[in-house]
Amino acid sequence: AQKITQTQPGMFVQEKEAVTLDCTYDTSDQSYGLFWYKQPSSGEMIFLIYQGSYDEQNATEGRYSLNFQKARKSANLVISASQLGDSAMYFCAMTPGGAGSYQLTFGKGTKLSVIP
Amino acid sequence: EAGVAQSPRYKIIEKRQSVAFWCNPISGHATLYWYQQILGQGPKLLIQFQNNGVVDDSQLPKDRFSAERLKGVDSTLKIQPAKLEDSAVYLCASSLHPSPSSYNEQFFGPGTRLTVL
Repeated sequence: AQKITQTQPGMFVQEKEAVTLDCTYDTSDQSYGLFWYKQPSSGEMIFLIYQGSYDEQNATEGRYSLNFQKARKSANLVISASQLGDSAMYFCAMTPGGAGSYQLTFGKGTKLSVIP
Repeated sequence: EAGVAQSPRYKIIEKRQSVAFWCNPISGHATLYWYQQILGQGPKLLIQFQNNGVVDDSQLPKDRFSAERLKGVDSTLKIQPAKLEDSAVYLCASSLHPSPSSYNEQFFGPGTRLTVL
């Protein structure tokens, strides 16, 4: 079974500053994928970034980067130059690799508030 | 490209009543998922379809929940009878054919917020 742990229920960050959202995972699979999603108050889940378990480089997408430490089983999201529109819930999730079910297992989320 | 569509957006019912949710995935997406998101938690998968076949329904409470995907496109999720603990947001997501060599990005709809009184 896979498990995602997000230990920060809420975080505050000053506008234009960088922030790191923590995520640790547990799995016995050798192949897996790690995702971060953003959920604004409107409710939809917005895909931000993906890291495969065999990817040697940390993933980056614009202002988002994923700090992947495989030995520690952590996949922290770093948001640089925070904007007011970044205020939302952020969910870390994982999916098994290989064929079969591709269900996402989500953590409980972190509520990020960006302060002007 | 149109996104995942869901309706209704909000529904309020009394316990023991029945309710149905509808989802139209992105055109061409073979895989469809229904997730339940209880307030304060992350989404939990209820059922996954590949075309019109069920891949995983291990977490679907089959005594009261049912889902179908007619002709491998639209899907409906039904609850009958509803309980207070079914109050949640029901999210539908879709993705292309997954393969072992590529990740499986799921695209989510806006969700249906269900309140059971």
